[in-house]
Amino acid sequence: EAGVTQFPSHSVIEKGQTVTLRCDPISGHDNLYWYRRVMGKEIKFLLHFVKESKQDESGMPNNRFLAERTGGTYSTLKVQPAELEDSGVYFCASSQAGTGIYSGNTIYFGEGSWLTVV
Amino acid sequence: GENVEQHPSTLSVQEGDSAVIKCTYSDSASNYFPWYKQELGKRPQLIIDIRSNVGEKKDQRIAVTLNKTAKHFSLHITETQPEDSAVYFCAARGGGSFYSSASKIIFGSGTRLSIRP
Repeated sequence: EAGVTQFPSHSVIEKGQTVTLRCDPISGHDNLYWYRRVMGKEIKFLLHFVKESKQDESGMPNNRFLAERTGGTYSTLKVQPAELEDSGVYFCASSQAGTGIYSGNTIYFGEGSWLTVV
Repeated sequence: GENVEQHPSTLSVQEGDSAVIKCTYSDSASNYFPWYKQELGKRPQLIIDIRSNVGEKKDQRIAVTLNKTAKHFSLHITETQPEDSAVYFCAARGGGSFYSSASKIIFGSGTRLSIRP
């Protein structure tokens, strides 16, 4: 079974440019999450999709960040315009829908997209 | 909102000794507590998890304990080996239906564990 895949793995852009990160969750996973880790700090929650709907976007830093999940499959996270403080590793993760005690809780991470804004 | 605190931030132990990482959470309704291991340049990998109806869980050299009253949970690694060196993250899933996976998972700040040969 394919895991969570993310693209690009690394990206270096100039301040003010736009970057779009893509995430393909594990097939059949309704829950899709975006997290960000800045060097040496916690894995910080950004937002959560259930299928195509935004369940919780309380972690999105500001309106320069836009996430979409059209059709409830893959998701994109766009940063426009990028600022220096946006640098970090952006992780996507997915999990199954919750239907019982033992399902839906394990979150599987992608390899991350390393973003450097210069 | 939900907050998870993790200590220590760095931990160095002699190979063969035990390592303990501790976390506290703020939301008393939290019901699921996973631990992730992240090796350098790799994705976080789930190593063990515990649900709020269980006080302790063990898997070979790894064990996790949960004290719901104190809102503490800990990771214990025994007989540490060089391959245990990594950053470890605790996490807590917020309250809500026990059967629902709709709540987000909040992570601690991570513990960098180093195993000395």
